[in-house]
Parts: sequence; structure tokens; C-alpha cells
Amino acid sequence: DVKVTQSSRYLVKRTGEKVFLECVQDMDHENMFWYRQDPGLGLRLIYFSYDVKMKEKGDIPEGYSVSREKKERFSLILESASTNQTSMYLCASSLTIFTQYFGPGTRLTVL
Amino acid sequence: DQQVKQNSPSLSVQEGRISILNCDYTNSMFDYFLWYKKYPAEGPTFLISISSIKDKNEDGRFTVFLNKSAKHLSLHIVPSQPGDSAVYFCAAHTGTASKLTFGTGTRLQVTL
Repeated sequence: DVKVTQSSRYLVKRTGEKVFLECVQDMDHENMFWYRQDPGLGLRLIYFSYDVKMKEKGDIPEGYSVSREKKERFSLILESASTNQTSMYLCASSLTIFTQYFGPGTRLTVL
Repeated sequence: DQQVKQNSPSLSVQEGRISILNCDYTNSMFDYFLWYKKYPAEGPTFLISISSIKDKNEDGRFTVFLNKSAKHLSLHIVPSQPGDSAVYFCAAHTGTASKLTFGTGTRLQVTL
């Protein structure tokens, strides 16, 4: 079974803090993704990566950056957290271009 | 600009009856469509998919229909079970990039 793990289930940070969200997958997948899920807006793609050290902007990359130094690990970075980044963050990985496997999510609250 | 839309935020169906979840899209270049199911406090899990060259795909109680001329797809669940209560997202793929475009989700509640 594919396993995608995220470093925290719940996280509370203050405005202006730098925040790191970590994601690890154990299936040697090439592709990894970061989404945020908000009520009424569904899942929106922030960034994705199709190889180590490669990254592509998704639909809402503003205020975020990513890092992929190893194939199994994809990190999402909030350089200076703001209250409008309070959300559920979901990481996913995939081998093919279609089916994605998701982690359990990190609920981030920025105060 | 929402390219994939799920216009019903919620749906309630009695156990044993059919659940029909709908999804509309605007981009005619989408070549593959998927449905994901999400329980609270868990990540979405893949449910069923369909290629744009087909109009129907069936997997057990789940069937997805695609109407390309109407840019509409639907997920049928027959018979519905209480364990089907979840949020359902449709998603679409286009081009060579690996990314999917997701809809806003429909919360299905199957009542006893």
C-alpha cells in the first residue's frame, strides 16, 4: 500500500512566522503535490514537483514556496504566515499522471 | 475561473437508493476524469476514473458516466450505503503535466 505521511495533523502558528510542512511518500513516486482545501473552494493546487529539485507552480502559489531535495520528501514553506493561509493542507504523490495518493492532511491555524 | 464545478454542495439519500453526484467542466481539452472520496480527518482516496474516449465506466456499485457534448460527468452509487457518506470530489486532467483540477466537492449523506 502506498503511504503518504505528513509531519503534523494540527499546527498553530502566529502571523509572520515561517512555517514548514513536511510530506514523505514511501512508494518511489516521481510526482508530488501540495493542495489546500477550503470550504466551498475544494482542493486547489499550490505547487507540484515531477522530479527531485524540480518544481512547478500550481493555481495558487502566492505566499508559498517548496523544496524537494530527495525523491521521497516534498516540503511546503510559508515564508511569512498570514491569517488567510489558515487551511487544511494536503500532500499527494503519484506514479502515473493520473491517480494521486493523499496524506491525511495538516490543519494549519494562523493566529 | 472554476474549470470543474460541482454545483450541489450536499446531497442526502436513503440507504439502498441511488446516489447521483454531478460534475460540470468547461475545458474541452480535459482527457481524463476521476472521482475521489474524502472522509473527515483523512486525505481523499481514489474511487473511479474514466477516459474522455469512453462514456461509461463501472466498478462494482460505482459507475461514472461522461457526456462530452454537455461537458458533464456523473457518479452513480447503487445501492447507497451508510459508509458511502463522505465528500466526493471530481477531478480532471489535461495535457502533459501531472496535475489535476479538482471540483469544489459534494457532501453525500446516506441515511438509514
